[in-house]
Amino acid sequence: GIQVEQSPPDLILQEGANSTLRCNFSDSVNNLQWFHQNPWGQLINLFYIPSGTKQNGRLSATTVATERYSLLYISSSQTTDSGVYFCAVEPEGNTGGFKTIFGAGTRLFVKA
Amino acid sequence: GAVVSQHPSRVICKSGTSVKIECRSLDFQATTMFWYRQFPKQSLMLMATSNEGSKATYEQGVEKDKFLINHASLTLSTLTVTSAHPEDSSFYICSARTENYNEQFFGPGTRLTVL
Repeated sequence: GIQVEQSPPDLILQEGANSTLRCNFSDSVNNLQWFHQNPWGQLINLFYIPSGTKQNGRLSATTVATERYSLLYISSSQTTDSGVYFCAVEPEGNTGGFKTIFGAGTRLFVKA
Repeated sequence: GAVVSQHPSRVICKSGTSVKIECRSLDFQATTMFWYRQFPKQSLMLMATSNEGSKATYEQGVEKDKFLINHASLTLSTLTVTSAHPEDSSFYICSARTENYNEQFFGPGTRLTVL
């Protein structure tokens, strides 16, 4: 099956710093989403981005589907950005019906 | 964005009892709902996919008789953990999507502790 790899696994930032999180996937995908899981466990939708570039405030994301990777950019990080960032993909030709595969996540801690 | 609720948020039960978790899409109709399980410091693992009015599709290694899923309406899916044991303790999360909506939206999760 498809493999989804996220890097780095852990990241510590000083408040105000910028960072880039990466998601590599081993096969073609129909959909790709980025999520932030807060300390209480809630998954928050950041981007639905099967291809192209999107921006939302301090966050932006780019997916290059032909090269099978996606990047999440966090600028001017804040302590509230702490948590786990997940990349999740829906493999192309998914006969199972919209099955979504999650990466292992990047655990981010932003220091004040 | 679309809102998905889960109830209860936390449950503690004795070994051998059954626990039902509800997942509701509050402002949209969900033709497909998903159930995930997450262990501490790990990623989400898909347990099953349920479509309204049909049987759920379980992932390999997930016992369908232990984790009963019912998607009775376009806004409600339930997961029942039958004869729960301590190893079933985990964080269970549901998500929902529609045919016209490629994004998945997640509930807040249910933390199950089996004593």
